[in-house]
Amino acid sequence: NAGVTQTPKFRILKIGQSMTLQCTQDMNHNYMYWYRQDPGMGLKLIYYSVGAGITDKGEVPNGYNVSRSTTEDFPLRLELAAPSQTSVYFCASSYNSRNYGYTFGSGTRLTVV
Amino acid sequence: DAKTTQPTSMDCAEGRAANLPCNHSTISGNEYVYWYRQIHSQGPQYIIHGLKNNETNEMASLIITEDRKSSTLILPHATLRDTAVYYCIVPGGSYIPTFGRGTSLIVHP
Repeated sequence: NAGVTQTPKFRILKIGQSMTLQCTQDMNHNYMYWYRQDPGMGLKLIYYSVGAGITDKGEVPNGYNVSRSTTEDFPLRLELAAPSQTSVYFCASSYNSRNYGYTFGSGTRLTVV
Repeated sequence: DAKTTQPTSMDCAEGRAANLPCNHSTISGNEYVYWYRQIHSQGPQYIIHGLKNNETNEMASLIITEDRKSSTLILPHATLRDTAVYYCIVPGGSYIPTFGRGTSLIVHP
């Protein structure tokens, strides 16, 4: 049971480039989330999804896009990367988000130069 | 979400109990309290959750006051590997967990 898998683990982007951070879970969880964490700070919610075909904005959605075509996958797209998007990105999932714990991936460390 | 308040940092001697407090005075009757921890650079890890009764698992114990306005996470015999940031969360009606800065626990030899 792999849990939540994120790829890549590290990436350096140049300003203006685009990339997709991959997230997949094998627990048949309905809810999935993307967070970013800046140094010394807590996690900020970017986007979340309550099921396939349904996504919604979190606290800091600007500069990002998501899609949820399957239960398993929840990719995060960065368009026109900016230095302010340098951060560690975490994907998480949960079964119904009310009475279950959340499972996090190991993170993607992104640097935009 | 109910707002939670935690001390910024704490320290504890190895082998002693670590007691991490959390205030959630605006919690409503059907909201659970969750605790997570984040070891340096890793994704947060679920520890325990509870509603009204005290809870215990292989990682920790959770003590919730009778009025449910505060809780304490107890690591009974802290080890160096318990050094981490600990988050107290009340997802509430939004079902979306919000992670603040948490409590940075340092376990020293």
